[in-house]
Amino acid sequence: GAVVSQHPSWVICKSGTSVKIECRSLDFQATTMFWYRQFPKQSLMLMATSNEGSKATYEQGVEKDKFLINHASLTLSTLTVTSAHPEDSSFYICSANPGRTQETQYFGPGTRLLVL
Amino acid sequence: AQSVTQLGSHVSVSEGALVLLRCNYSSSVPPYLFWYVQYPNQGLQLLLKYTSAATLVKGINGFEAEFKKSETSFHLTKPSAHMSDAAEYFCAVSEQAGTALIFGKGTTLSVSS
Repeated sequence: GAVVSQHPSWVICKSGTSVKIECRSLDFQATTMFWYRQFPKQSLMLMATSNEGSKATYEQGVEKDKFLINHASLTLSTLTVTSAHPEDSSFYICSANPGRTQETQYFGPGTRLLVL
Repeated sequence: AQSVTQLGSHVSVSEGALVLLRCNYSSSVPPYLFWYVQYPNQGLQLLLKYTSAATLVKGINGFEAEFKKSETSFHLTKPSAHMSDAAEYFCAVSEQAGTALIFGKGTTLSVSS
């Protein structure tokens, strides 16, 4: 149980285009999902917290107009990288939490984004 | 504020040797502590977690970790390394259930035959 999927796993796009990444909890409902970014050989950095039915909370330094997050249902959160640039190339990982009293997060397999 | 320090960005052991990956945390309240493993180009897999129950936590693949409040540590160990243990290991902390994790910088474990 507790499986989180991400789609796509790999995406290559041209600079200036927008890319949407989906994060789904397959066998549980997630009131909260988190989006992390991981640069090569580095740790995971929290970008934003996504709560179902409300606006996402962004970490300091993360542009909310560039990284649009939508959590429209209890099993789906999407991250859209708008007007992507090469510096946005990274590994994006989502995690889902089954409930606010649950301490364990379940991570998706990640999405590798390469912006040319 | 919470933080996690992983001492040693790279640890190399021989197959069959003891694995010790160090993690120290800072937290103003009793924390939840986690160890995750990441294989290349993959997401994170939970190895084990501490949630204020037993201080010695056993996880998957023969790993275990001991919570030591006096040392603010949560070191990960495995008695005998296997080649398949070669991966990136992350220690993480959260102060409250349901909140985001704060990750250490990670430790790369190499296992030689």
